Amino acid sequence: EVQLVESGGGLVQPGESLRLSCEASGFALNTYWMHWVRQPPGKGPVWVSLINSAGSDTIYADSVKGRFTISRDDAKNTLYLQMNSLRAEDTAVYYCARNEYGFGTWGRGTLVTVSS
Amino acid sequence: DIVMTQSPDSLAVSLGERATIECKSSQSVFYSSNSKNCLVWYQQKPGQPPKMLIHWASTRESGVPDRFSGSGSGTDFTLTISSLQAEDVAVYYCQQYCTTPYTFGQGTKLEIK
Repeated sequence: EVQLVESGGGLVQPGESLRLSCEASGFALNTYWMHWVRQPPGKGPVWVSLINSAGSDTIYADSVKGRFTISRDDAKNTLYLQMNSLRAEDTAVYYCARNEYGFGTWGRGTLVTVSS
Repeated sequence: DIVMTQSPDSLAVSLGERATIECKSSQSVFYSSNSKNCLVWYQQKPGQPPKMLIHWASTRESGVPDRFSGSGSGTDFTLTISSLQAEDVAVYYCQQYCTTPYTFGQGTKLEIK
C-alpha cells in the first residue's frame, strides 16, 4: 500500500527553524516527483515546493524561496522540508504529496504553528 | 502566476439533485503536448487531506463514483455531481498543474439543502 507519513511539526517562535519529514512506503521516492503543499487554518491548499525524481531539480513558491529547502534521502525513502526564518504566515498544516497528474497521493499532514 | 477562480464560494443542493461548480483560470491550462488540460479537481472533508477526483480536466480517478464528472477546456472548467449524496458534503478545489507555482482555486463549500 502506498503511504506518506509526515512528522516534525510543532510550535516555534518567529525566526526559528524546523525540519519536516515525509516517510514514504509502498513505492520508491526516487521514481516520482514529490511536492510539499501547505494549508493555513480555514483556507485552501497552497503549493510550496517540488523535487524531481532524479533529485536534481527543485522549485519553490516565491513566498518560501531562500528560506525553505526540499531534499530527499533515498536510502531512508524520506522527503524533507527544511524551514528557516519562520514567520507567522507560515502557520499551516504541511502535506507531502506524490505527483500523479496533479497531487494524487497525500499524507495526513503535520501542523506547524509559528507564534510568539 | 495563474489565478484560479471558483464559483460559487458555497452551494446548497438537495439530495439527489445536480451540483455544478465552475472554475476559471486566468490563462489557458491547455497542454499542447498531449492536447489535454492540466486541471485537477479535489474533494476535501474536515480533518482529511484533499483527495484527487479528476485529472486532465475530465479523467476520473479509480474508485471515484461516476456521478462525478469534469468538463471544460482552455480557461473554463466545470465539476458536476449528477445526483448529490450525503457523503459528497465537502469543500471542492480546482488546481492547475501546467505551470509552477501550481495554483488552487479558493474552494467551494458544498452542503445539503
